[in-house]
Amino acid sequence: GQNIDQPTEMTATEGAIVQINCTYQTSGFNGLFWYQQHAGEAPTFLSYNVLDGLEEKGRFSSFLSRSKGYSYLLLKELQMKDSASYLCAVNAGNNRKLIWGLGTSLAVNP
Amino acid sequence: NAGVTQTPKFRILKIGQSMTLQCAQDMNHNYMYWYRQDPGMGLKLIYYSVGAGITDKGEVPNGYNVSRSTTEDFPLRLELAAPSQTSVYFCASQPGGARGYTFGSGTRLTVV
Repeated sequence: GQNIDQPTEMTATEGAIVQINCTYQTSGFNGLFWYQQHAGEAPTFLSYNVLDGLEEKGRFSSFLSRSKGYSYLLLKELQMKDSASYLCAVNAGNNRKLIWGLGTSLAVNP
Repeated sequence: NAGVTQTPKFRILKIGQSMTLQCAQDMNHNYMYWYRQDPGMGLKLIYYSVGAGITDKGEVPNGYNVSRSTTEDFPLRLELAAPSQTSVYFCASQPGGARGYTFGSGTRLTVV
């Protein structure tokens, strides 16, 4: 079957670093997306990893290991506005039917 | 650029009523999608389209219909609304390839 696992909730302190993990088991793999979704709003695109390794975009970085079926999103210098749900989604061979995780709700405390 | 525009933002329907959720994008994206999002259930794909005149079912198509007469518009039709269709509906578009989806702001639908 197709499965994506993410922790349900995480908490962190403003200014700190947090790592949100995503593990996947899918019949195929063409890439992995990370999206941010604030409460009551639409998801917004953060990153797309196709090859192994770390990709950095400002305060946010995303890592992929295809052999381990594992990815993480790293958020540095946390700000209160980073409190949101973070969704992991896998392109399992058909870009038109992504497999979505249930999301990790991150609370950033002062 | 407006991006992806969804209307209405909120709607309350009675059981058995019908309605159309509108979605329009001005980015000339070929791919468009309709998702529903329920608490604790994640995003579920209802229908998608790879271009004008072409649509296909996603994971949860029952009770819904779509059309794609133009590249810009991808309306979602609910016939005979049921309480199980109470959800937040998101439309999204994508240019294809290794690119992220752009989501609309969503429609909160309640069926009573």
